[in-house]
Amino acid sequence: DIVMTQSPDSLAVSLGERATINCKSSQSVLYSSNNKNYLAWYQQKPGQPPKVLIYWASTRESGVPDRFSGSGSGTDFTLTISSLQAEDVAVYYCQQYYSTPQYTFGQGTKLEIK
Amino acid sequence: QVQLQESGPGLVKPSETLSLTCTVSGGSITNYYWIWIRQPAGKGLEWIGRMYSSGSTNYNPSLKSRVTVSVDTSTNQFSLRLSSVTAADTALYYCARDCSGVRCPIGIFDYWGQGILVTVSS
Repeated sequence: DIVMTQSPDSLAVSLGERATINCKSSQSVLYSSNNKNYLAWYQQKPGQPPKVLIYWASTRESGVPDRFSGSGSGTDFTLTISSLQAEDVAVYYCQQYYSTPQYTFGQGTKLEIK
Repeated sequence: QVQLQESGPGLVKPSETLSLTCTVSGGSITNYYWIWIRQPAGKGLEWIGRMYSSGSTNYNPSLKSRVTVSVDTSTNQFSLRLSSVTAADTALYYCARDCSGVRCPIGIFDYWGQGILVTVSS
């Protein structure tokens, strides 16, 4: 299995400030034949199921605000929220879909308001 | 708008079989992969398995010997059976749709149910 490790486990950021969450995979999730990273980010608010934010490491899902961005390649990835809003309080998960269909998630990063 | 709803017993005895159903509304079950994922309290997400509408299945190797996913296209439902449960199987169980390459990649889950809490206890 590809193991996904996120850092930090929790994060407190002031409203309007930048939030950065990291994700590292135990092996590369970059598929050389199409040069795409098989990495997604999900947001899970309390009492709700996860919601996909980003796939292909940097492609925003339809309707996701542009303050959310994804970057990285190979084994190291970052989710950035450029200006934190109150509604962004949630747990964020990265997920690899390279090893189809043995999909795995990171342990989650809890984002709170400072 | 596609909607998914899990149903089934919230309490299962140890060694028995957990059985859940997911009803899909607002869209067809055909031409997609349908997924079960679980989340123990306060923990992360574990992919359990998937079934394509044609009937082909894939399971998490750690659960493979105990899991069965089936689909009924006539009722737009798919189901999960997990046998020989223990307390370690206590979790919030979600059903979800895999984008299946239709408008986003295979392996991305774009619609989810609200989840159903299943507790394994005598």
